[in-house]
Amino acid sequence: DAGVIQSPRHEVTEMGQEVTLRCKPISGHDYLFWYRQTMMRGLELLIYFNNNVPIDDSGMPEDRFSAKMPNASFSTLKIQPSEPRDSAVYFCASKGGTGRATDTQYFGPGTRLTVL
Amino acid sequence: AQKVTQVQTEISVVEKEDVTLDCVYETRDTTYYLFWYKQPPSGELVFLIRRNSFDEQNEISGRYSWNFQKSTSSFNFTITASQVVDSAVYFCALSPNLQGGSEKLVFGKGMKLTVNP
Repeated sequence: DAGVIQSPRHEVTEMGQEVTLRCKPISGHDYLFWYRQTMMRGLELLIYFNNNVPIDDSGMPEDRFSAKMPNASFSTLKIQPSEPRDSAVYFCASKGGTGRATDTQYFGPGTRLTVL
Repeated sequence: AQKVTQVQTEISVVEKEDVTLDCVYETRDTTYYLFWYKQPPSGELVFLIRRNSFDEQNEISGRYSWNFQKSTSSFNFTITASQVVDSAVYFCALSPNLQGGSEKLVFGKGMKLTVNP
């Protein structure tokens, strides 16, 4: 079975540019999470969706960040305009389905974002 | 508030040594999940184990074992006969509420394990 898919794996951009990160959750999962990992702050939750609806976006750092989930198999995290302090690894995770693993979040490979 | 503390930040051992990674958590919830994830040098986050708060049985999976003690709010992870491939950052995490409410996964700061040949 395919795991969580994220693209791109690496992104280098210049300050002020728009950045869009993409995520495809595991098929059948009804929760999707976006995390950011930095050396200073560790792993922090930005936002999560349930059945494509944003449930908690309290971790989104500021209005420059936005996330959407137009359907059950696709989500985007957009940063506009990007700043050097946004440089981090962004992870997408999903959970749900049936069986014992419904409450376990499975993570994608991450997108390493560098803003120059 | 929920909190996960991994006191050790970095450990270095020689191959075949046993190593224990400590995790202490804080929560006011009566039901919760605890997790361990592994982040190898390649960067992905790999799920290792999930433990329900009402199940205090220890678990063993090959060279890995986990010791959950609710009385001390600890969920420690032991690797027996460590191998170079075990080198990674290990994260302990807490999901505070099983019955709806927040789905947040609260992570510790991580512990970097280096296994030298």
